[in-house]
Amino acid sequence: DGGITQSPKYLFRKEGQNVTLSCEQNLNHDAMYWYRQDPGQGLRLIYYSQIVNDFQKGDIAEGYSVSREKKESFPLTVTSAQKNPTAFYLCASRPKPSDRAYNSPLHFGNGTRLTVT
Amino acid sequence: QQPVQSPQAVILREGEDAVINCSSSKALYSVHWYRQKHGEAPVFLMILLKGGEQKGHEKISASFNEKKQQSSLYLTASQLSYSGTYFCGTGLTGANNLFFGTGTRLTVIP
Repeated sequence: DGGITQSPKYLFRKEGQNVTLSCEQNLNHDAMYWYRQDPGQGLRLIYYSQIVNDFQKGDIAEGYSVSREKKESFPLTVTSAQKNPTAFYLCASRPKPSDRAYNSPLHFGNGTRLTVT
Repeated sequence: QQPVQSPQAVILREGEDAVINCSSSKALYSVHWYRQKHGEAPVFLMILLKGGEQKGHEKISASFNEKKQQSSLYLTASQLSYSGTYFCGTGLTGANNLFFGTGTRLTVIP
């Protein structure tokens, strides 16, 4: 079955260390997204990519970086510059939008819970 | 740009109905609804598009008032499996992103 795989499910890091979260999809989707979820704040967009080798900042990109070298993969690096990195991170994908209307649903991975101490 | 959801939380007994609302201050082209169980991925429920088109599950109903930039999700004859946090996501006219509300926590009890 097709889907999105995020790994690991739980991740623990010391403050000051960079950490990379993995996101792989076999849905043949062009667009991929990273969201951050904090209690009571819903989902906030970090970065998104609509095509290989191209990506755009979302609302809260500071302290994060991404790459999109392959269609199937969209890893997120949480750098030491991110002030409050402890959160639940969700990766999502969808077919390439035909326009800006967002007329197809997002498919989400099961998330990675990152704890930085 | 983040839509506002109401109520923030609701508790139902099995068989009761509920309405969850989502409103935006911006012109909307589409509204998405997702349900998330604790620690799991959000699951797609429905998309409502400007102009009246809807895509989603048969047992879920929703409305989209384009003039008021509001959407409502209707949960009827609730079951224990309906418990979770419901999010609306709004697609703005002319924007590439989807903005999510803060969620409505629904708890269905026996």
